Amino acid sequence: EVQLVETGGDLIQPGGSLRLSCAASGFTVSNNHMSWVRQAPGKGLEWVSVIYSGGSTYYADSVKGRFTISRDNSKNTLYLQMNSLRAEDTAVYYCARVYDSSGYGWFDPWGQGTLVTVSS
Amino acid sequence: DIQMTQSPSTLSASVGDRVTFTCRASQSVRSWLAWYQQKPGKAPKLLIYDASNLESGVPSRFSGSGSGTEFTLTISSLQPDDFATYYCQQYNSYSRTFGQGTKVEIK
Repeated sequence: EVQLVETGGDLIQPGGSLRLSCAASGFTVSNNHMSWVRQAPGKGLEWVSVIYSGGSTYYADSVKGRFTISRDNSKNTLYLQMNSLRAEDTAVYYCARVYDSSGYGWFDPWGQGTLVTVSS
Repeated sequence: DIQMTQSPSTLSASVGDRVTFTCRASQSVRSWLAWYQQKPGKAPKLLIYDASNLESGVPSRFSGSGSGTEFTLTISSLQPDDFATYYCQQYNSYSRTFGQGTKVEIK
């Protein structure tokens, strides 16, 4: 069964750092394109970052220079390192596999999400 | 960035109703549009990709249509399990933007 499980969400002060993890099962992370998508409380969905199977990475303008996406092939796990966190980064963070058979691709499946709260 | 606008924001309907909602793009996204269903406290679930292709396992009462800048998602006969929020997502640009969602409520 294809599954994604995120961990690492926490309450963190503004300016702090946090690393999220997304453990995959049923498929190989390094052979797929993977993304992080976030959802602020009561709000819609926002794409955050993507890492392609070849290793290229891209970010939304809102997190560029502060967040870093990476993966550990030996652990079949995706990561999101978040630095210089701001209140507006408060959200549930989902990891998802990207299917790009057309365009830049849609997301399927999704993990259950992990909550990051940035507050003093 | 391509902006995605969904209407209505909220839709009240009854079990058995045929419901249709719309997603409009600020510029053409060809047919590169997906629809997701999200229930409270849960992750989004893919329903439709490439504007009209039904994801495996999704009931056939769901259908999508459109191309360019205007797209629709139709539920032919609303079921109790369908009360949720629905999001469209374009993947014509790398920003992969989502609409703000349409919440389907019980009338």
